[in-house]
Amino acid sequence: DGGITQSPKYLFRKEGQNVTLSCEQNLNHDAMYWYRQDPGQGLRLIYYSQIVNDFQKGDIAEGYSVSREKKESFPLTVTSAQKNPTAFYLCASSIGGRTGELFFGEGSRLTVL
Amino acid sequence: AQSVTQLDSQVPVFEEAPVELRCNYSSSVSVYLFWYVQYPNQGLQLLLKYLSGSTLVESINGFEAEFNKSQTSFHLRKPSVHISDTAEYFCAVRLGGGADGLTFGKGTHLIIQP
Repeated sequence: DGGITQSPKYLFRKEGQNVTLSCEQNLNHDAMYWYRQDPGQGLRLIYYSQIVNDFQKGDIAEGYSVSREKKESFPLTVTSAQKNPTAFYLCASSIGGRTGELFFGEGSRLTVL
Repeated sequence: AQSVTQLDSQVPVFEEAPVELRCNYSSSVSVYLFWYVQYPNQGLQLLLKYLSGSTLVESINGFEAEFNKSQTSFHLRKPSVHISDTAEYFCAVRLGGGADGLTFGKGTHLIIQP
């Protein structure tokens, strides 16, 4: 079945360690996104990519990095520079264009101890 | 910049009663509007969307939303809720021509009481 796969679903890390969250899609979508979700805060955009080898910062990019070497993959690295990394991370994709809705993965919950 | 306001963080309602979840947006240009639903520890699923045409849009599970341009609103309604509707609901907006994804409201937790 077509969809978006995020892994791992749960992740625990010590403070100061970098962490990479995986996001793979087989929908043949051009655009991919990373959002962060905190209780009562809604979703906030971290990074997005409209095309392979190109990506842009969202509203809260500080302390995060991404790459887009393949159309189907958009991994997110949470670096030690991110001051409050504990959160629920959601990856999404869309066909692109002006009206496409976003399709979401199941999310990855990161807890920093 | 556009923003989305969901006025109620939590809405408790009895089973089989009607419900309205409010959403207002701020934008001076044309927008595309969406409602998503999220069950605990899961991703978001699209409930319905307004792109153009009829201002009243419906989902397959009985929800509907009406785009009101003059009031910049896109409220979500259901005439009779079921216990399975308990979830978090997010309103989102995309600017016409915008390539940077959706802007989301903070969400409304719908709590269905038996």
